[in-house]
Amino acid sequence: GIQVEQSPPDLILQEGANSTLRCNFSDSVNNLQWFHQNPWGQLINLFYIPSGTKQNGRLSATTVATERYSLLYISSSQTTDSGVYFCAVVRSGSARQLTFGSGTQLTVLP
Amino acid sequence: DSGVTQTPKHLITATGQRVTLRCSPRSGDLSVYWYQQSLDQGLQFLIQYYNGEERAKGNILERFSAQQFPDLHSELNLSSLELGDSALYFCASSVGPTGGGETQYFGPGTRLLVL
Repeated sequence: GIQVEQSPPDLILQEGANSTLRCNFSDSVNNLQWFHQNPWGQLINLFYIPSGTKQNGRLSATTVATERYSLLYISSSQTTDSGVYFCAVVRSGSARQLTFGSGTQLTVLP
Repeated sequence: DSGVTQTPKHLITATGQRVTLRCSPRSGDLSVYWYQQSLDQGLQFLIQYYNGEERAKGNILERFSAQQFPDLHSELNLSSLELGDSALYFCASSVGPTGGGETQYFGPGTRLLVL
């Protein structure tokens, strides 16, 4: 199956700092989603971004499908950004399910 | 709010028991996916239904089964429960059958604790 690797596994920031999270995947994809899992366990959709660049407030994401990676940028971090960020992909072809990476645990300190 | 609803939010039960988790997809979505998040396995796909028919199967145990009803809600049945079945179970929905080319929207999850 497809491999999804996220880095770094853990990230600790001071409030106000910027960060970049990376997702590498091993095969062609026709779906790539970024999620934020909050401390209560809810998975929040951030972006659907199989290619290109999108921005939503302080968050933006870029996927370079030809090079098989995606980046999630968080600017001016807030304590409410803390949690686990997951990248998930659907491999092109017959696959239907999202395959998740192991996540990046982000802690934003006040 | 994704528009996907799951009940119950929390479930505590004993080993050997059987439970049913329920999911209602977003209005207009025909596909329902079930995922399991456990501490040791991470987030894993279990099964997908599209318009009442099973379309894809992942790492779903034989003790687990699912179905999608004519009103498109889905139920995941877990039987002969073991301690290792304790996990967060998510339901997701999308419009089409393929899983790719569109967003999968996730519900709030059901947290299952088997004692």
